[in-house]
Formats: sequence, structure tokens, C-alpha cells
Amino acid sequence: EVKLVEYGGGLVQPGASLRLSCEASGFTFSDFYMEWIRQAPGKGLEWIAASRNKANDYSTVYSASVKDRFTISRDTYKSILYLQMNTLKPEDTAIYYCARASDYFDYWGQGVMVTVSS
Amino acid sequence: DIQMTQSPSSMSASLGDRVTITCQASQDIGNNLIWFQQKPGKSPRPMIYYATNLANGVPSRFSGSRSGSDYSLTISSLESEDMADYHCLQYKQYPLTFGSGTKLEIK
Repeated sequence: EVKLVEYGGGLVQPGASLRLSCEASGFTFSDFYMEWIRQAPGKGLEWIAASRNKANDYSTVYSASVKDRFTISRDTYKSILYLQMNTLKPEDTAIYYCARASDYFDYWGQGVMVTVSS
Repeated sequence: DIQMTQSPSSMSASLGDRVTITCQASQDIGNNLIWFQQKPGKSPRPMIYYATNLANGVPSRFSGSRSGSDYSLTISSLESEDMADYHCLQYKQYPLTFGSGTKLEIK
């Protein structure tokens, strides 16, 4: 059974850092692109980062809104996807989802809340 | 970046109605579009992929279509369980972009 479980969210002050984790199981982690997508309270979905698969050297892509502040990475031995978030801003407050980017983004985690507030 | 213009932002329909939601792409995305359903407090669920293909386990009353740069999600006969937010996503190129979402309510 494919599962994605995120953790690591919480309440932080502006300017702080936080690392989210997404533990994957039930599939060959290295075969798939993995994505981070977020949703601010009451708002739509926003794609923020991608980690391509092993065949594409796990190369990364970022949205303009998080580029140079967030870093996506993988531990391929533990099958964990990370999102290191630095210099957090109040507008980063959102539920953060990891998703497996198959043909149709078929599996998502349950989401983890990040609140940036003083 | 590819912009996805989704309409309407919200709508109310009666049980049994035919409902259509549309996303217009600002550039060619081929058929690289997914429709998601999202219920309150839940993760998005893919309903339609590659513009017209029904995802696993999705009822046949859902369908997707394309006319030029306009992509549509249609529910042929609305049921109460279809009350949700719906989002489109283009995955033709990075940055991936979502439509702004449609809130579907039952009258």
C-alpha cells in the first residue's frame, strides 16, 4: 500500500527555519518525481517544489515564491522527502502536502500545518 | 509561466443537475491537465487525468473534455457527495500551476 506521511510542521516566528519530512512507503521512491504543494488557509493550491526521479539525477525545481529560501531533498535510503524552509514569512502559513507525481498525482500525504506568526 | 484561469469560483446546483467547471490555459498544455476534488480537511483526490481520463475509483458521472485551450470537468448528474472544491492543475511544464479553484455547493 502506498503511503505518504508528512511531519515537522508547527508554529514559528518570522525569519525562523523549519524542516518538513514526508515518509514514503509502498513504492520505489527513486522511480518517481515528488512534489511539495501548499494551501494557505481558505485559499487554493500552490505548487512550490519538485524533486525529479533518479533517472533525472534527482534534480530540483522551485516556484518563484520559495526559490532561494526553501530546499527540497531526499534521503533515498530511508525513502524520505524533505523540505527545508528558511527565512519563513507570514505568507508561508499554509498546509503543506507532499505528493507523488505519477501520471496523475495519485497519492498525497495528509498535510502538515505550518504557521508563521509572531 | 502558464496561467490557469478557472471558472466559476463558486456555484450552487441541485441534485441531479449537470455541472461543468472550466479551466483555460494561457499557453498550450497539450492534454497535461488533472482535475482534483478536495473535501474539507482532506487532501486533494485526482478525478480526471490527461484531460479526459477517469482516475481509479472515480464514478462514471465525472468526465473531462477539451476544446482548444479550454478544459472542462463535467458531473452529469450531481450527487450530494460531490459537494467539494475542485481544482485543475497543468503539468505540462514547471512551474506547475493550479487554477484558483471552484467551490461546488448543493442547493
